[in-house]
Amino acid sequence: QVQLQESGPGLVKPSETLSLTCAVSGYSISSGYWWGWIRQPPGRGLEWIGNIYHSENTYYNPSLKSRVTISVDTSKNQFSLKLSSVTAADTAVYYCARVSVVTGFGLFDYWGQGTLVTVSS
Amino acid sequence: QLVLTQSPSASASLGASVKLTCTLSSGHSSYAIAWHQQQPEKGPRYLMKVNSDGSHRKGDGIPDRFSGSSSGAERYLTISSLQSDDEADYYCQTWGTGIHYVFGTGTKVTVL
Repeated sequence: QVQLQESGPGLVKPSETLSLTCAVSGYSISSGYWWGWIRQPPGRGLEWIGNIYHSENTYYNPSLKSRVTISVDTSKNQFSLKLSSVTAADTAVYYCARVSVVTGFGLFDYWGQGTLVTVSS
Repeated sequence: QLVLTQSPSASASLGASVKLTCTLSSGHSSYAIAWHQQQPEKGPRYLMKVNSDGSHRKGDGIPDRFSGSSSGAERYLTISSLQSDDEADYYCQTWGTGIHYVFGTGTKVTVL
């Protein structure tokens, strides 16, 4: 059973960089699949942030692309998110997920439980 | 622009059925979608992929009470024999040109 667990600071100051890690168990990241980040502002819907495959390929939401970096650490079987120059609008629950491509269609088939990040001074 | 439209809320009685709709924007009626369930204070859970021909493929452990179908630009999720823990938000998701992922605004299901 694939399991994902997010971790990182719950409070980040405005203009600083948000950094989160997703630890994966039950599957080796280096074996394949895309891996992604999604966020959910309080009381609102889901927003895709970006995906990564094998440390070589990344795709980011165009609205966040200039501030986002996703990377993979296969030795620790985890992947990470960095979001720079944060503002209060970046306050959200951040989820990591595995991306399964089924007959050319990408979907999130396993999700973490999420971690709340608040941007405040 | 690829947009998914969902009704904000739906309700049905315990043991009854409810059918949720996700509508694809103009020009995207052939796209598949995925349904995800988010129970209160929990992370989302993948339910199934629904194709334009109405065929669907469920995630691991998803009960037979959950089924998917399609008609034109609409994709449906039907939940039969409603249980109290089906009370949740349900999101549809698709995948567009340039490998961009789009979510609907979600439907909150209330079990009466």
